[in-house]
Amino acid sequence: GQQLNQSPQSMFIQEGEDVSMNCTSSSIFNTWLWYKQDPGEGPVLLIALYKAGELTSNGRLTAQFGITRKDSFLNISASIPSDVGIYFCAGLFNKFYFGSGTKLNVKP
Amino acid sequence: DADVTQTPRNRITKTGKRIMLECSQTKGHDRMYWYRQDPGLGLQLIYYSFDVKDINKGEISDGYSVSRQAQAKFSLSLESAIPNQTALYFCATSDTLGGTDTQYFGPGTRLTVL
Repeated sequence: GQQLNQSPQSMFIQEGEDVSMNCTSSSIFNTWLWYKQDPGEGPVLLIALYKAGELTSNGRLTAQFGITRKDSFLNISASIPSDVGIYFCAGLFNKFYFGSGTKLNVKP
Repeated sequence: DADVTQTPRNRITKTGKRIMLECSQTKGHDRMYWYRQDPGLGLQLIYYSFDVKDINKGEISDGYSVSRQAQAKFSLSLESAIPNQTALYFCATSDTLGGTDTQYFGPGTRLTVL
């Protein structure tokens, strides 16, 4: 079945640095979604992408829907301590598939 | 007020007990889902429902059942809880208005089976 490979699994960065993470698949998707999850809480939708090549920003976050429809990336610029959490991607093709998450740690 | 609510938020129970987790939404979405999340793993789909009369099994439905009481309510039951069902459970909703589909999650229920 379709699988989403998300990388990196974890990141340790300094406050102010930029962050990049991505999801790839061997199959195509019609929608890519990026979520942030804080410990013990539900995932919160950050960015939704609906068209191949689409580039969308939400504040310091920017995400792109890959041209091949098999990948997506999320960038966070000028990270701050409250960016700490787990970020994961989701792809939609008939049903939703989820990446296993990127755990982000930000050192003040 | 939250668009997707789950009750209870935390539950500790014993092996063999029947447990019901409830989900309500005010988003007006037709589609509702139940997921399970284990530490370090991605979300696994248990059941989903595209409308009140439509119930479908997900990847890991064994040991679980669901009921879609109304468009806004979707409950998950563990008929006889076992320890390996200890996990975080999330309800989610989506609709396809406008030709797109985006999922929104509830805050989760942390279930511990002793």
